[in-house]
Amino acid sequence: DQQVKQNSPSLSVQEGRISILNCDYTNSMFDYFLWYKKYPAEGPTFLISISSIKDKNEDGRFTVFLNKSAKHLSLHIVPSQPGDSAVYFCAASESGYALNFGKGTSLLVTP
Amino acid sequence: DTAVSQTPKYLVTQMGNDKSIKCEQNLGHDTMYWYKQDSKKFLKIMFSYNNKELIINETVPNRFSPKSPDKAHLNLHINSLELGDSAVYFCASTLNRDPFYGYTFGSGTRLTVV
Repeated sequence: DQQVKQNSPSLSVQEGRISILNCDYTNSMFDYFLWYKKYPAEGPTFLISISSIKDKNEDGRFTVFLNKSAKHLSLHIVPSQPGDSAVYFCAASESGYALNFGKGTSLLVTP
Repeated sequence: DTAVSQTPKYLVTQMGNDKSIKCEQNLGHDTMYWYKQDSKKFLKIMFSYNNKELIINETVPNRFSPKSPDKAHLNLHINSLELGDSAVYFCASTLNRDPFYGYTFGSGTRLTVV
């Protein structure tokens, strides 16, 4: 049973525009939520996280939003750059437990 | 300096063989993980060790046996390899089992069983 779901396998955005990646989860006990970025033949790289006590966290061009009532989080990238093209994984966990990952969304940023 | 290093990067082997994958981290972390990414790209937790103690053991065939000789190392031994074991295996580490600052992942070991 998959507790973290990314329903869009791919997304294409023009350079300079906003990229919005979405993620849903089913386990109400999750209290940490993270986004990872992955390039081919490399391991996932941590991007940004948010705890359940917040609804927004920003780091430069990246912002994560959490809607606990809807069990939904999203990652906004503004402005999108060609170097952002990668697979983005959403992950979530209860404190002290391992991260559960979604299947990833492949983002392509075109010039 | 590579923070989390896995060896080998690629492994091609025949069904029925026994193989090991090694992982080392130089970050001073005390918790290490093995994840499996299958053909559907789904990253799934297999095992976790905290201070050399097994703390997570998901539903994984007992042909898979992790070993942590010390906090900086977590190895994965697989007996009697099957075609379905073909996947990319990622090692990861963190401090104090804390997910908030993210796990640091290795670059993966692509295992192909023929």
